[in-house]
Amino acid sequence: AQKVTQAQTEISVVEKEDVTLDCVYETRDTTYYLFWYKQPPSGELVFLIRRNSFDEQNEISGRYSWNFQKSTSSFNFTITASQVVDSAVYFCALSEVNFGNEKLTFGTGTRLTIIP
Amino acid sequence: DAEITQSPRHKITETGRQVTLACHQTWNHNNMFWYRQDLGHGLRLIHYSYGVQDTNKGEVSDGYSVSRSNTEDLPLTLESAASSQTSVYFCASSENPQGDTQYFGPGTRLTVL
Repeated sequence: AQKVTQAQTEISVVEKEDVTLDCVYETRDTTYYLFWYKQPPSGELVFLIRRNSFDEQNEISGRYSWNFQKSTSSFNFTITASQVVDSAVYFCALSEVNFGNEKLTFGTGTRLTIIP
Repeated sequence: DAEITQSPRHKITETGRQVTLACHQTWNHNNMFWYRQDLGHGLRLIHYSYGVQDTNKGEVSDGYSVSRSNTEDLPLTLESAASSQTSVYFCASSENPQGDTQYFGPGTRLTVL
């Protein structure tokens, strides 16, 4: 069965600091997708990134970057030069690619607070 | 612009009542999902549908039902609401199977007294 672990329940950093959110996953499939979603205080879920298991290239989008390492089953998310608007709960999720199993398994989330 | 909406956004009901939460998407997506969000659990899948007339149980389906009569809508029904079903409910949709990105509605906060 698939599983996603976000061991960091809450993180607080001072504005402009860099912060990394950890995500470790378990799956028996060789083909799968990993996701990060952001949930700001307003409550909606905002899609950030989707990565398939065959693409281990790190990705950078502005101040956001993602480090995917199959060897350690991790898909970590780094925010560089954090800003107050980054304060949110961040969820990592896993989707296995078996027909009949098209669903996301979410981690329990990491609450990130950026202190001005 | 295409979107996914949920109604009501907030609902208070009493134990034992039947409640239906609406989800409507204009993406024309085949796949639709219902999740509940509870502190310490993240989001957990309740039911999902791959198309009209198709419904499937998720990991926390007891006490819930869905029906899919058209592409746009997947209403979630609580047959007899219980206090344990107090939660925030999210609907989502995706275009393709095989790990496609799911896009979420704004959520419905349900309180069962």
